[in-house]
Amino acid sequence: GAGVSQSPSNKVTEKGKDVELRCDPISGHTALYWYRQSLGQGLEFLIYFQGNSAPDKSGLPSDRFSAERTGGSVSTLTIQRTQQEDSAVYLCASSSTDRVGEQYFGPGTRLTVT
Amino acid sequence: QKEVEQNSGPLSVPEGAIASLNCTYSDRVSQSFFWYRQYSGKSPELIMSIYSNGDKEDGRFTAQLNKASQYVSLLIRDSQPSDSATYLCAVRTDRGSTLGRLYFGRGTQLTVWP
Repeated sequence: GAGVSQSPSNKVTEKGKDVELRCDPISGHTALYWYRQSLGQGLEFLIYFQGNSAPDKSGLPSDRFSAERTGGSVSTLTIQRTQQEDSAVYLCASSSTDRVGEQYFGPGTRLTVT
Repeated sequence: QKEVEQNSGPLSVPEGAIASLNCTYSDRVSQSFFWYRQYSGKSPELIMSIYSNGDKEDGRFTAQLNKASQYVSLLIRDSQPSDSATYLCAVRTDRGSTLGRLYFGRGTQLTVWP
């Protein structure tokens, strides 16, 4: 079946602009995660949605970052007033309810803030 | 406080050797453990999961878990150049409000030379 998809694959934006990144999880997966990875660095957790529970937002680095998950499926990560330090690859992953740790990652969105 | 620690490497082994990757974690209530592989420029992919003490084998890969020592390892037998990648250790801890999120180590870079 189809895997996790993300769009756009690449995004170049000017400092101060807002950006929206989209994630389509695997059908039926109730858990959805956003991470970011800077060049040569590890995965940085951003936010985690699990079913209808309140999301775990503990990884969002500032109030410029927000995420929504509509209808328990598609998720959008929004970064307002982008800064150069926001440049990174943003990865989305999903998993089933009973295998939360077994995550399937999308191809990522490479964000460059100029 | 670092939840999951790995040697960053790089670890370099000759083709055909056993590669040993190690990971320690700080939270004693951690419940499940995972190894992900990430090729350069690609997204992480799950290669092993382990939930109970002892060894779990899957082809050339063996995961070992010792909860008393808070230690998990990955052995790759008959290493191949195609195994050259960064290996990420991940630990899941269910702490109510955290919804059982996954904590990733920073990864160990493995190079298998022919």
